[in-house]
Parts: sequence; structure tokens; C-alpha cells
Amino acid sequence: EVQLVESGGGLVQPGGSLRLSCAASGFTFSNYNMIWVRQAPGKGLEWVSYIYISSSVIYYADSVKGRFTISRDNARDSLYLQMDSLTVEDTAVYYCARVVDGVTGADFWGQGTLVTVSS
Amino acid sequence: DIVMTQTPLSSPVTLGQPASISCRSSESLVYSDGNTYLSWFQQRPGQPPRLLIYKISHRFSGVPDRFSGSGAGTDFTLKISRVEAEDVGVYYCMQASQFPYTFGQGTKLEIK
Repeated sequence: EVQLVESGGGLVQPGGSLRLSCAASGFTFSNYNMIWVRQAPGKGLEWVSYIYISSSVIYYADSVKGRFTISRDNARDSLYLQMDSLTVEDTAVYYCARVVDGVTGADFWGQGTLVTVSS
Repeated sequence: DIVMTQTPLSSPVTLGQPASISCRSSESLVYSDGNTYLSWFQQRPGQPPRLLIYKISHRFSGVPDRFSGSGAGTDFTLKISRVEAEDVGVYYCMQASQFPYTFGQGTKLEIK
């Protein structure tokens, strides 16, 4: 069974940092591209970042470029999102999702982890 | 960036009746490989998004056949042939033909 489990969320002050993790199981993680998507409370979905299988291709939304860093460790079946210089606008549930480019797209999603940026 | 516009934003439907959601993109979603990377997701209350439809009209594994997708270019539609109680939630279209990926605002499906 495909499983994606996010962790690392919590309460952080504006200007602070947080590192999110996404643990994958039930599939060969190193064969799939991955994305992070966030959802502010009561709002819609916003794509945050994309990372290729080998980490050779990475994209960011303009809203997080220069502050967030996506990475992965294929040996540990894990995806990460390092979030620096956080603002209140970054408050959201963060989801990781598996991507099959050229086929199904973002086909499996984790349950999400809540990040709250507040003083 | 490609802007995705969904209509309606709210759709009250009677159980057993059909429902339809429209999604329009600000530019063509046809990718250089000839495919159109337009997906539909369902998000039930308190749950993560769930993939329903990919590449306009392909139903994902396990999705009931009452869900169907259609369209081309810039205009796309998700249809539910007979709404059931478990279909309540918010539906999003998403384009993955160009970075940044972008979502529609979401359409809330509720039972009358």
C-alpha cells in the first residue's frame, strides 16, 4: 500500500525555520518525482515545489523561492522541505505527493502536517 | 503563470441528480508531447486531496465510473452522473502542463 507520512510541522515565530519530512513506503521512492503542496486554513490548494527523481531538476513557487529548499534522500525513502524566513502567510497544512510525469500526475498524497507561523 | 478558473464555486445538488463543474485555463494546456495535463481532485472534509481524473478524462484507479472528465485546450469539465452522499467535498482542477503547477479555486459540492 502506498503511504506518504509528513512530519515536522508545528508552531514557529515569524522569521523562524522549520524542516518538514515526508516518509514514503509501499512503492519504489527513487522512481518517482515528488511535490509539496500547501493549503492555508479555509483556503484552496497551492503548489509549493517539485523535485525530480535524481534531484537534478527543482522548481519553486515564486511565493517561496529563496526561502524554501526541497530535497530528497532516496536511500532513506524521504522527501524534505526546509523552510526559512517564515511569515504568517506560510501558515498552512503542507502535503507531499507522488508524481508520475506523463501519466497520472500527482496520484497519491500524504495526510499533511500543519505549520503555524505566529508570534 | 496559467490561471485556472472554476465555476461554479458552490454547487448544491440533490442526491441522485447529476453535477457538473467547469474549469477554464488562461492558456492552452496542450504540452509539447501532445498530452494535456489537466487533473481533477476531490477533497472531503478533513482529508487530503484525492486524484479522480488525470489527462482530462482518464479515471484513476478505484474511482467510481459516475465520475467523468472531458474537454480540450482551455475548457474542461468534471461530471458526476448521479451524486451520492459521499461525494460531498471540494473539487479542484489542476494543470501540470507548465510550471508553476496551478489549481482552480475549488468548487464546494453540497447536498440540497
